[in-house]
Formats: sequence, structure tokens, C-alpha cells
Amino acid sequence: DTAVSQTPKYLVTQMGNDKSIKCEQNLGHDTMYWYKQDSKKFLKIMFSYNNKELIINETVPNRFSPKSPDKAHLNLHINSLELGDSAVYFCASSQGGRGETQYFGPGTRLLVL
Amino acid sequence: AQSVTQLDSHVSVSEGTPVLLRCNYSSSYSPSLFWYVQHPNKGLQLLLKYTSAATLVKGINGFEAEFKKSETSFHLTKPSAHMSDAAEYFCVVSDRRQGAQKLVFGQGTRLTINP
Repeated sequence: DTAVSQTPKYLVTQMGNDKSIKCEQNLGHDTMYWYKQDSKKFLKIMFSYNNKELIINETVPNRFSPKSPDKAHLNLHINSLELGDSAVYFCASSQGGRGETQYFGPGTRLLVL
Repeated sequence: AQSVTQLDSHVSVSEGTPVLLRCNYSSSYSPSLFWYVQHPNKGLQLLLKYTSAATLVKGINGFEAEFKKSETSFHLTKPSAHMSDAAEYFCVVSDRRQGAQKLVFGQGTRLTINP
């Protein structure tokens, strides 16, 4: 029973294309996140939503647009993909903030050619 | 601003010997601290977390970590390494203010286990 799931698992695309990554959590959490892991395995937060409201936006290019249709879903749409967008993108969820554990999805490996 | 420094990018130990992965943190507030593990081509799994209760925190798979405020450290240990422990380990800090929670990750430590 997957707690945080992401689709697709792998995504290979050409520069300039637009793509979306979907995330769903069945933990009943009210807060969801997107993280980017670069080729050196460094993880950095991109966005956070609480009850469908954007609460963290970490100076990510506006080509990246998160969308939260409901508390259980947080999708990431990327316009005009660039080579530097190649990374592993992780979705996570937690119940509130204040030190609560974040549960991570399996990641989506994006390769831009 | 908070930050985390993992003092070793790579640690190699023999199976059955102790593991020590070092982490120092910087935080203006009472921090929450976590260790996550990432096995190859997998997501991140929580090993343990500290949120101002007991300073010695026990986690899964025999790992534990001790919060030392005077040394601003949160080192991860395990008495006896197992082959399945080979993975990337991340020390993470989060402030505990109300509202948005932001996890700040260390650079990671790759743990290799020699047979």
C-alpha cells in the first residue's frame, strides 16, 4: 500500500518540451512538498503546499508551476525544459509542519536531452 | 538560517564493525533533526528524528543518534554494520516554528560496507 506515489518514474524528453509529474499521498496529510535532487545527490526544497495553499516557494524559475487540486495531490508542471532541469524530483508529505516527519515518494528521474 | 554539514562525503567500514556518520548543524531556533537513508535508485526513508525529547534517539535497523547542543552535533551510529546498510545517508534540520516547515539537507554521506 503505497503512501506517497509519483508518476512517471522515469521521464526522458527533449529540450523545450513541457512535462508534468504527478504526486499522490494516501496518508491523509495536509502538507505536500517538491524537492529536487541534483547529480551530486544534493536535495533542495522547491515548493510546499498546505491545504492546497502555496506556503513555500524557493526561488524556483517560473517555468516550474506546482498545482494542488486537493490535499492528496500535488503536481509539478515544467515548461520549456532545459538541460539543467535533469534531476530526480521527489514529492513528500507531512501532517502540518513544526518538525513533523516528511514521507517521501520514490522519485521521478527526469532526463532532458 | 539553518544549515547542516556532514563531515564525511564517504565512509567505508567492514561488515560487523561500528558505523559513525558525523553531522553538525546550525540553527537559530530549537531544531528538529532527522537522518534519512537513500538506497540506490530508491526514495528516502526516515531512520530517526529528534524533536527535543530524549537526546539519545533510537531509530530503525539498529541506528541511533545523539543530540549534543553544546557541540551542535547529531552524529549517527550503529554498533555493527550490515551489508544492507550500504546507502547514502542525509542529516536534515528543520526549524520548529509554526507555519511552513522547510527541511534543509546535508550533502550526504555515502556508506560503503566491505565484506
